[in-house]
Amino acid sequence: EVQLAESGGGLVKPGGSLRLSCAASGFTFSKAWMTWVRQAPGKGLEWVGRIKAKTDGGATDYAAPVKGRFTISRDDSEKTLYLQMNRLKTEDTAVYFCTTSIVVVTAIDYWGQGTLVTVSS
Amino acid sequence: QSALTQPRSVSGSPGQSVTISCTGTSSDVGGYNYVSWYQQHPGKVPKVMIYDVSKRPSGVPDRFSGSKSDNTASLTISGLQAEDEADYYCCSFADRSTYVFGTGTEVTVL
Repeated sequence: EVQLAESGGGLVKPGGSLRLSCAASGFTFSKAWMTWVRQAPGKGLEWVGRIKAKTDGGATDYAAPVKGRFTISRDDSEKTLYLQMNRLKTEDTAVYFCTTSIVVVTAIDYWGQGTLVTVSS
Repeated sequence: QSALTQPRSVSGSPGQSVTISCTGTSSDVGGYNYVSWYQQHPGKVPKVMIYDVSKRPSGVPDRFSGSKSDNTASLTISGLQAEDEADYYCCSFADRSTYVFGTGTEVTVL
């Protein structure tokens, strides 16, 4: 069974940093392209960024609002995905979902339950 | 990259059909055949209903169908059922290897 479990969310002040983790199981993590998606309270979904499998080059891509502030990385030996968030803004407040595409390669077919990040003074 | 434009809400009676539009640009919807649609019930994680414009994942009822014309993609739900009441989001691959979601549509079954 595919499982994605996010952790690391919490309350942080504007300008601060936070690192989210996503523990994966039930699939070959090293071959998976992993994506972070966020959803502000009561709002819509927003694509944050993606990291390819190392065997496919391991490149990362980011949405414009987070580029230069957020960094996605992975530890294939620990089957863990990370999202390092720096220079946080109040508009980054959201539930952050760890996701992947396994059966449906060109869309997201597995989601974690999400972790809430609140940026407030 | 601006969010794709969807109607805020659509509604229909059980058995009827509803169509949700998703309008982007030539840099996203119009430029690639990688449009997907997600259903999200309150308090739940999204579920993919359509991918690659018109393909249905295993287990998704054939009442759900997708299409695309120029810069606008559409999701049609035929034979509307009570359990279809949810929020729906389109998503498209876009330039610079990014993705963009739509603004979301609330579907109400009257």
